[in-house]
Amino acid sequence: GDSVTQMEGPVTLSEEAFLTINCTYTATGYPSLFWYVQYPGEGLQLLLKATKADDKGSNKGFEATYRKETTSFHLEKGSVQVSDSAVYFCARITGGSYIPTFGRGTSLIVHP
Amino acid sequence: EPEVTQTPSHQVTQMGQEVILRCVPISNHLYFYWYRQILGQKVEFLVSFYNNEISEKSEIFDDQFSVERPDGSNFTLKIRSTKLEDSAMYFCASSEETSGNNEQFFGPGTRLTVL
Repeated sequence: GDSVTQMEGPVTLSEEAFLTINCTYTATGYPSLFWYVQYPGEGLQLLLKATKADDKGSNKGFEATYRKETTSFHLEKGSVQVSDSAVYFCARITGGSYIPTFGRGTSLIVHP
Repeated sequence: EPEVTQTPSHQVTQMGQEVILRCVPISNHLYFYWYRQILGQKVEFLVSFYNNEISEKSEIFDDQFSVERPDGSNFTLKIRSTKLEDSAMYFCASSEETSGNNEQFFGPGTRLTVL
């Protein structure tokens, strides 16, 4: 069935390192794709989104490109900070729905 | 900045007991949702609610679950007779609309532990 698959965590990096969190999806049609972030003690917040192939979503230095050919939406950041430590969730919404299907979440830990 | 709030942050209960999880959505939002995440697993949709009615629910949302908007601000999830497998983080969310591109705003979650 349709699903969202993320790399398992935790991902542990030093400050200023390059970040990639992989996300792939399966879906019929052309879904919209999202990354949510959950900081400790807070709710999930929308980080970025892309609604069609080759779109690039970006926010707070994070980027993700909608790759239809590889059904991927990998999250990247060139230089992470300690304050980026959080759990990151990839999600997709298929056409005609408004309910996101989430991945399991990937915990990111950034050390000074 | 407006936010969704949830209480309690952690609820511990005995198997078979009833629990009510509470949420206060953002005040001008009209659509409300509950999700859950069992430890180590995916965030799963439970139910959506609009105009005092359930608009969509998943297979997980069986007769043991119910939702209510008892007043103008609260949105509750009741589990009538909890089971061990109900232990999870429960997230409430709200949105202005229900288009696929419309952002849902999530609360911080309630961790339910069933013993």
